[in-house]
Amino acid sequence: EDKVVQSPLSLVVHEGDTVTLNCSYEVTNFRSLLWYKQEKKAPTFLFMLTSSGIEKKSGRLSSILDKKELFSILNITATQTGDSAVYLCALSSGTYKYIFGTGTRLKVLA
Amino acid sequence: DTEVTQTPKHLVMGMTNKKSLKCEQHMGHRAMYWYKQKAKKPPELMFVYSYEKLSINESVPSRFSPECPNSSLLNLHLHALQPEDSALYLCASSLDVGTQYFGPGTRLLVL
Repeated sequence: EDKVVQSPLSLVVHEGDTVTLNCSYEVTNFRSLLWYKQEKKAPTFLFMLTSSGIEKKSGRLSSILDKKELFSILNITATQTGDSAVYLCALSSGTYKYIFGTGTRLKVLA
Repeated sequence: DTEVTQTPKHLVMGMTNKKSLKCEQHMGHRAMYWYKQKAKKPPELMFVYSYEKLSINESVPSRFSPECPNSSLLNLHLHALQPEDSALYLCASSLDVGTQYFGPGTRLLVL
């Protein structure tokens, strides 16, 4: 059965810290892995990863995929209070079913 | 433009009411989705329409009835809901099986 596991479940850091969020998966047919940030409402898209070893970067956020070891990480450097959110990892196996992990709840303290 | 819109933003309904949630996108996406999300849980897939045809129904109770009038619109008709159906209902769209973009959601409360 296809599965996505995120760790840690929650994390509390101080502004300026760097955090690394993990997403490991098991899937029969891998198409892509997506990262989302969810604050109070809808998830907002961060990255889509399809190839191993190629880092995607947007400002202080970056992400990379390892298709051999079946995981992805999301890094946030110089965290700010506005980064407080739930970060969701989702897997696409190419059948319109996106499998979501339970999310990592990040709280950044001022 | 990566916008998916949903109306209404909030909805309160009784268990005997009939209401509809609406979703719209103008990105030319051919797949549209309904998700249900309870507090502190990830989104849970309900329905998928691809090319205006229902392609996935995740064993959702018949009191939820989806409709896709055209490639830009997706509705979710609600009838005789239960209090446990209270949740955030999210619509999403994607171009084939690529990146999904979510709408802002409808927060539903069933009394």
